[in-house]
Amino acid sequence: NAGVTQTPKFQVLKTGQSMTLQCAQDMNHNSMYWYRQDPGMGLRLIYYSASEGTTDKGEVPNGYNVSRLNKREFSLRLESAAPSQTSVYFCASNPGISNTGELFFGEGSRLTVL
Amino acid sequence: AQSVTQLDSQVPVFEEAPVELRCNYSSSVSVYLFWYVQYPNQGLQLLLKYLSGSTLVESINGFEAEFNKSQTSFHLRKPSVHISDTAEYFCAVLSNTGRRALTFGSGTRLQVQP
Repeated sequence: NAGVTQTPKFQVLKTGQSMTLQCAQDMNHNSMYWYRQDPGMGLRLIYYSASEGTTDKGEVPNGYNVSRLNKREFSLRLESAAPSQTSVYFCASNPGISNTGELFFGEGSRLTVL
Repeated sequence: AQSVTQLDSQVPVFEEAPVELRCNYSSSVSVYLFWYVQYPNQGLQLLLKYLSGSTLVESINGFEAEFNKSQTSFHLRKPSVHISDTAEYFCAVLSNTGRRALTFGSGTRLQVQP
């Protein structure tokens, strides 16, 4: 049972390049999330999708776009990467129906922007 | 809007000693509270949660946390830690209205020494 799968696990970009982080879950969850983790700042919500066909901004959405491609997949795109976007990115999912908050996380994608 | 404060960024402790990781939250509405654990190079995993009912909640590996509404706290405790408890611990809050996404604290790194 794979759970939440993120690709790639590691990526190095130059300033101004674009890339997409992919996330897929096989638990039939309705809600999906993208967080970034930075030292001393915990996890901050970038975007989330409460259900297929909807997306909403989180705390730190600037510089990012998302697509909820279908119920399984939720991608995060950086159109023009900046050094401030160097971080570890986590995708998570949640059943969503009652939403008592338990999130299931992927293993993370470590992005470095030079 | 809600927020979470974890006052201690690092907590060093000797094996078999007791430990308390502190968490305070602020919210204008009722909340659900969570502790997540992150082992090195992994995603976060749910450790325990408070939704309603008994204010003392326990995990399967000996941790417990007590919801204190008057002090707006949800401190995590363990009477005797093991080397394997070395990890980063995140407190999180979910309000039962508004944005249906967790807000995390900045994390506390628990370092258990032999």
